[in-house]
Amino acid sequence: SAVISQKPSRDICQRGTSLTIQCQVDSQVTMMFWYRQQPGQSLTLIATANQGSEATYESGFVIDKFPISRPNLTFSTLTVSNMSPEDSSIYLCSVGMANTGELFFGEGSRLTVL
Amino acid sequence: GQQVMQIPQYQHVQEGEDFTTYCNSSTTLSNIQWYKQRPGGHPVFLIQLVKSGEVKKQKRLTFQFGEAKKNSSLHITATQTTDVGTYFCAGDTGNQFYFGTGTSLTVIP
Repeated sequence: SAVISQKPSRDICQRGTSLTIQCQVDSQVTMMFWYRQQPGQSLTLIATANQGSEATYESGFVIDKFPISRPNLTFSTLTVSNMSPEDSSIYLCSVGMANTGELFFGEGSRLTVL
Repeated sequence: GQQVMQIPQYQHVQEGEDFTTYCNSSTTLSNIQWYKQRPGGHPVFLIQLVKSGEVKKQKRLTFQFGEAKKNSSLHITATQTTDVGTYFCAGDTGNQFYFGTGTSLTVIP
């Protein structure tokens, strides 16, 4: 299993500003992912955070809007840049277990953009 | 577009009634996972099914993977208030991993 600490847990931000979300895992993991969950919706994968290289982004998500860092095997950050109200969502960090394929999720960061 | 659909989107049941959510994929899946997300919480892994026609049970929960590996179901027997939440299937096509649209379960005491 993995224990994931994510912060901030929630924030209210002004339009045009940027917010960085941090994700700390209690063990070294190869696969680390960032998801977005809009209110009442399913989970959409933003990107896979790769250690030592650029993140791999899914269709519809770009690095300029969602820059990601992965400096080591236990930590990652996701920045939501130049925010607009449409970015109001829960952002979830997750890690995948290579042997079982199971995903563990952080508690999520609930972002409200005014 | 969305490749993994779930029905129903919402379900209200009286405590003690059974509940079933169905998950359908447009493509064949190598495996399927199920997650539960309590209100205000994060998704928590329940189970993974890999084999065609596989059936697994966890206490009152029964999970099935279709013969064609394109659909799955989760059945809860005699629901309890602790079963409240949104249930997501998540399918692995081999190239992509997609979460289903989710079924939100409300249990009325």
